[in-house]
Amino acid sequence: QVQLQESGPGLVKPSETLSLTCSVSGDSMGSYYWNWIRQAPGKGLEWIGFIYSRGSTSYNPSLKSRVTISLDMSKSQFSLRLSSVTAADTALYYCAREHLSATGKPGSYFYYYYMDVWGKGTTVTVSS
Amino acid sequence: SSELTQDPAVSVALGQTVTITCQGDSLRTYCASWYRQKPGQAPVLVFFGKTNRPSGIPDRFSGSISGNTASLTITGAQAEDEGDYFCHSRDSGGHHVVFGGGTKLTVL
Repeated sequence: QVQLQESGPGLVKPSETLSLTCSVSGDSMGSYYWNWIRQAPGKGLEWIGFIYSRGSTSYNPSLKSRVTISLDMSKSQFSLRLSSVTAADTALYYCAREHLSATGKPGSYFYYYYMDVWGKGTTVTVSS
Repeated sequence: SSELTQDPAVSVALGQTVTITCQGDSLRTYCASWYRQKPGQAPVLVFFGKTNRPSGIPDRFSGSISGNTASLTITGAQAEDEGDYFCHSRDSGGHHVVFGGGTKLTVL
């Protein structure tokens, strides 16, 4: 059974860099999109970014200038760095595995993405 | 477009049928996936693609897509179905993940 586990400091000072790691167990990291998602208290899910197993990345445009996601397949981990944090970055941070699949016939495929495994989340508070 | 729109809240009487919708231009290209989140817990995948339910999800959960609107239907809602439901897909270009704002389901 695949499991994801977030780890990292629960408290970060304003203007510093938030660093989190997601450890993957129970399966290889191949052919998936490895995502970071956060949820501010009482709010919805906000996508931060992903790294594909082959190393390409994509980030939320609203966070792109501050985000770096990296992958270490030898350790079965991927990591998030978010720089210049403010109180607005206080949230519950999740990592999640995302698949791409398709249904239909050649020439008329319908594609879909889904996140089948999530970590339990780790709370990060930005405060001095 | 990179937005998915959901109604903030929906209620249903115990045992009745409820449909939660998710609207967005990108759903013409990519199917939505659906997640339920209970207080203090991580989201759980409940439906994805056109016909897929993960193992352990009851068959009272079903999904459909019409134009730019995806729907999650619970036929015979139970008390344990309460929670926040989020839809998820990609933007029209496929490069960015998008989530709906979430629908809070109350079972009366």
